[in-house]
Amino acid sequence: QQQVKQSPQSLIVQKGGISIINCAYENTAFDYFPWYQQFPGKGPALLIAIRPDVSEKKEGRFTISFNKSAKQFSLHIMDSQPGDSATYFCAASMAHQKVTFGIGTKLQVIP
Amino acid sequence: NAGVTQTPKFRVLKTGQSMTLLCAQDMNHEYMYWYRQDPGMGLRLIHYSVGEGTTAKGEVPDGYNVSRLKKQNFLLGLESAAPSQTSVYFCASRSGGEARTQYFGPGTRLTVL
Repeated sequence: QQQVKQSPQSLIVQKGGISIINCAYENTAFDYFPWYQQFPGKGPALLIAIRPDVSEKKEGRFTISFNKSAKQFSLHIMDSQPGDSATYFCAASMAHQKVTFGIGTKLQVIP
Repeated sequence: NAGVTQTPKFRVLKTGQSMTLLCAQDMNHEYMYWYRQDPGMGLRLIHYSVGEGTTAKGEVPDGYNVSRLKKQNFLLGLESAAPSQTSVYFCASRSGGEARTQYFGPGTRLTVL
């Protein structure tokens, strides 16, 4: 059972454009929603995370939008740069429980 | 701080051979995890540990065993490797309580022929 559904699986965006990756979850007990960024040949690293008591969190060019009623959250990358080319994973977890990851989105930002 | 390290970085096995992957962390983290990453499948949890001497099964545990004899180390064993275990393996750790960030190692690329 896929508890966190992520789309699209791949995304090509022009430099300067907005990259948008969407995730949906099923378990309303999830209370922590992180996004991880993975460069080729490296392990994933935390990019940004949100808790369900806020609808948006912004860190630089990266923003998480969270819709609790729809059980959806998304990552927006403003002014996308070639250096943002990576695989992005959304995830969800509950306290003292393991993390459930989405299948990942491979982002390519072209000049 | 080295963070999370994994040994080896690459390995090629023949079907039926055994091996152990080592994960070490120097952050005094309570929780440690083993994932496998396959194209189109994301990160799937194999086994995890919530403290020294404890282990638990994740979503894809068959064919793997783990041990956590020391807090800083988490070992993943393949007793009889199969081609279906060809994958990239990642170890991760996090501190307990409300700190949820997982810190990943650089990965081990395993090929089973």
